[in-house]
Amino acid sequence: EAGVAQSPRYKIIEKRQSVAFWCNPISGHATLYWYQQILGQGPKLLIQFQNNGVVDDSQLPKDRFSAERLKGVDSTLKIQPAKLEDSAVYLCASSSLEKLFFGSGTQLSVL
Amino acid sequence: QKEVEQNSGPLSVPEGAIASLNCTYSDRVSQSFFWYRQYSGKSPELIMSIYSNGDKEDGRFTAQLNKASQYVSLLIRDSQPSDSATYLCAVKKRTGRRALTFGSGTRLQVQP
Repeated sequence: EAGVAQSPRYKIIEKRQSVAFWCNPISGHATLYWYQQILGQGPKLLIQFQNNGVVDDSQLPKDRFSAERLKGVDSTLKIQPAKLEDSAVYLCASSSLEKLFFGSGTQLSVL
Repeated sequence: QKEVEQNSGPLSVPEGAIASLNCTYSDRVSQSFFWYRQYSGKSPELIMSIYSNGDKEDGRFTAQLNKASQYVSLLIRDSQPSDSATYLCAVKKRTGRRALTFGSGTRLQVQP
């Protein structure tokens, strides 16, 4: 069974630039999550999708972050404009029943 | 008060010893509890889940849950150097936001 796919693996940008991350969940998983993990901290939920609808985006900084999940499969997370404090690993996950499976993440460095 | 609290460590144990990792949570409506292991530079992977009070064993791992005291723990028996990693506690609520809320993790070092 293929795991959660994410790209790119690494991204370096300058502040005020924009960046986008892509995620393809495990086949058949209806729920998809984007988490932000800052170095030394646990993952923090940004947004949760159920199929192509948003379940929870209460912690998403909507002035600069946006996410979509068209057709209930792939998802894209965008940051525009990026700030220095956005430097983190962005983890995509999908779930079956209660269990969460993470992708390898995108490490973002904002200079 | 953080929703999920863990001691950041590092917790250092000798090879073959029992490692004990603890986690407390603040919201009594929490329903499901998980332990994830995260190696440096890698993504978290699920080790154990526990839903009811008591102990749950899986190989060298035992998860313990005490809902009255709002804590969950993970015991690793016969610790190996390959167990050296950060262990994340995660909690899922019964109501409200139902995605997992993670603690900041405890770094475990197993000394050969």
